[in-house]
Amino acid sequence: EVQLVESGGGLIQPGGSLRLSCAASGFTVSSNYMSWVRQAPGKGLEWVSVIYSGGSTYYADSVKGRFTISRDNSKNTLYLQMNSLRAEDTAVYYCAGGGYGSGSFDYWGQGTLVTVSS
Amino acid sequence: DIVMTQTPLSSPVTLGQPASISCRSSQSLVHSDGNTYLSWLQQRPGQPPRLLIYKISNRFSGVPDRFSGSGAGTDFTLKISRVEAEDVGVYYCMQATQFPLFTFGPGTKVDIK
Repeated sequence: EVQLVESGGGLIQPGGSLRLSCAASGFTVSSNYMSWVRQAPGKGLEWVSVIYSGGSTYYADSVKGRFTISRDNSKNTLYLQMNSLRAEDTAVYYCAGGGYGSGSFDYWGQGTLVTVSS
Repeated sequence: DIVMTQTPLSSPVTLGQPASISCRSSQSLVHSDGNTYLSWLQQRPGQPPRLLIYKISNRFSGVPDRFSGSGAGTDFTLKISRVEAEDVGVYYCMQATQFPLFTFGPGTKVDIK
């Protein structure tokens, strides 16, 4: 059974930093592509970032230069380092695992809430 | 960038009756490799999204066969043959053709009349 478990969310002041983690089991982070997708309160889904099996990383324009996606293959864990946080970054952040066969996001974590507020 | 639109944005349905959601992309979703990376995801209330359909019409593992996807190019449809109570939620289409960007539609809320 595949499990993706996010952690690291919380309340942070504007301008602050936070690191999210996504621990995977039953799914190899380094062999697939992994993304962060966020959902602001009462809103739809917004793709944030992706890391491919080869290590290439890409970001939505809204977070480029502030967020960094990475992974630790030995821990089978995905990360999102978020710097210079803004109120508009407030959202539930989901970790999603993609399969090259589907070209989609096959598996999702339960999400972790990030609230940026003073 | 590709923009995804969905209609309707809200769909009250009767239990046991069919439901249909349309998704349109601003550009063709046919990839240079010949595949069309259009997916449908379901998000039940209070739950994370769940993959239902990938590459237009392929049901993901464990998805009931009352869900089906169709379409081509820029126009796509998700159909539920007979709506059940557990189908209540928001449905999103998503494109993954425009590497490396992923784009979601605005979502269609399905609830019971």
